[in-house]
Amino acid sequence: QVQLQESGPGLVKPSETLSLTCTVSGGSVTSYYWGWIRQPPGKGLQWIGYVYYSGSTSYSPSLKSRVTMSVDTSKNKFSLKLTSVSAADTAVYYCAGYDSSGYVHYWGQGTLVTVSS
Amino acid sequence: DIQLTQSPSFLSASVGDRVTITCRASQGISSYLAWHQQKPGKAPKLLISAASTLQSGVPSRFSGSGSGTEFTLTISSLQPEDLATYYCQQLHSYPHTFGQGTKLEIK
Repeated sequence: QVQLQESGPGLVKPSETLSLTCTVSGGSVTSYYWGWIRQPPGKGLQWIGYVYYSGSTSYSPSLKSRVTMSVDTSKNKFSLKLTSVSAADTAVYYCAGYDSSGYVHYWGQGTLVTVSS
Repeated sequence: DIQLTQSPSFLSASVGDRVTITCRASQGISSYLAWHQQKPGKAPKLLISAASTLQSGVPSRFSGSGSGTEFTLTISSLQPEDLATYYCQQLHSYPHTFGQGTKLEIK
């Protein structure tokens, strides 16, 4: 069974870059599409985007100018970078594993990232 | 972006009740719809894909239906462990947007 675990700083300063990594266990990072979904405190879910190990990506238009996702096949991990963060980027960030149609079959446990000075 | 509107946003029901949640899309999405369940403090979990395909291990009291712009999630006999927020998500076009959620309370 595939399991996902997010890691990264829980606190990021405004205007800096948020960087998160998701470690994949129980499966290969080449077998699925991978991505990130976030949830501001007390609010709903927001799809951020996906990356495939080939390098193919799709990002939400509202975040596209600030987002980069990548896959490291040697470490069976994938990552998220979000630049120029503000308080509006404070959220629980979930890493996710998608099938080829985009259905989220695997969720990480989520990690809270707070943007504050 | 395709907008998804869920109704109701909040629902209180008793154990054993039949519960229905509706998700309406701002444009036709065929059957490219998922339902997720998020229990308090936990990550979401995929319940249903392709509008009506129940995922392995999900109790049969859950069912989904619909196509085009209107979809429903039905719980045939509500159980205490169904306390959660339920989200629909469209997979028809990017970005894969979510509905705002329906918070289900057990009376």
